[in-house]
Amino acid sequence: EDQVTQSPEALRLQEGESSSLNCSYTVSGLRGLFWYRQDPGKGPEFLFTLYSAGEEKEKERLKATLTKKESFLHITAPKPEDSATYLCAVRGSGTYKYIFGTGTRLKVLA
Amino acid sequence: KAGVTQTPRYLIKTRGQQVTLSCSPISGHRSVSWYQQTPGQGLQFLFEYFSETQRNKGNFPGRFSGRQFSNSRSEMNVSTLELGDSALYLCASSLATGQGTKNIQYFGAGTRLSVL
Repeated sequence: EDQVTQSPEALRLQEGESSSLNCSYTVSGLRGLFWYRQDPGKGPEFLFTLYSAGEEKEKERLKATLTKKESFLHITAPKPEDSATYLCAVRGSGTYKYIFGTGTRLKVLA
Repeated sequence: KAGVTQTPRYLIKTRGQQVTLSCSPISGHRSVSWYQQTPGQGLQFLFEYFSETQRNKGNFPGRFSGRQFSNSRSEMNVSTLELGDSALYLCASSLATGQGTKNIQYFGAGTRLSVL
């Protein structure tokens, strides 16, 4: 069964303190791994999609990487405005379902 | 280009009532998926529609149903509401399925349903 596990559940960082969020997955035939950011009371906002091991994507202070078993979202020198819940999802072959992890709640303190 | 629009944004219902939520996808998107989000369970997949056909369904009771119209707009219905149905209901649309960026889902702001 397709499964996604995110860690840690919550993370507090000081402004400028770099860190990484983890997304471990089990899926039959990966058709995409997706990172989203969700602010309170809003829908998830698309950040990145990765399709094959070794792939990397960057956007401002965020960098996503992918291996055959997990993905990392690296946050470099975070700012308070990076505070949000970060969600990871996968889509496997032969299904139109996207399986989401429960997210990592990130709080960046000024 | 307008994003995914969900209406209403907030709803308050009582147990036993039914409710219909609406979702207008991004123009040109043919796939619409629905999710239930609660603090304890995260995003749970309800169902996905493509060209008016339901292609996949999550593990929810039959009280949860949906449909898609020819213009790709979608509705979700919950009958005989229970207290546990209180949640944020999210709609997401994508161009299509298959490989590449066509299967990126874009979300609406959601409908917050409270069942009293």
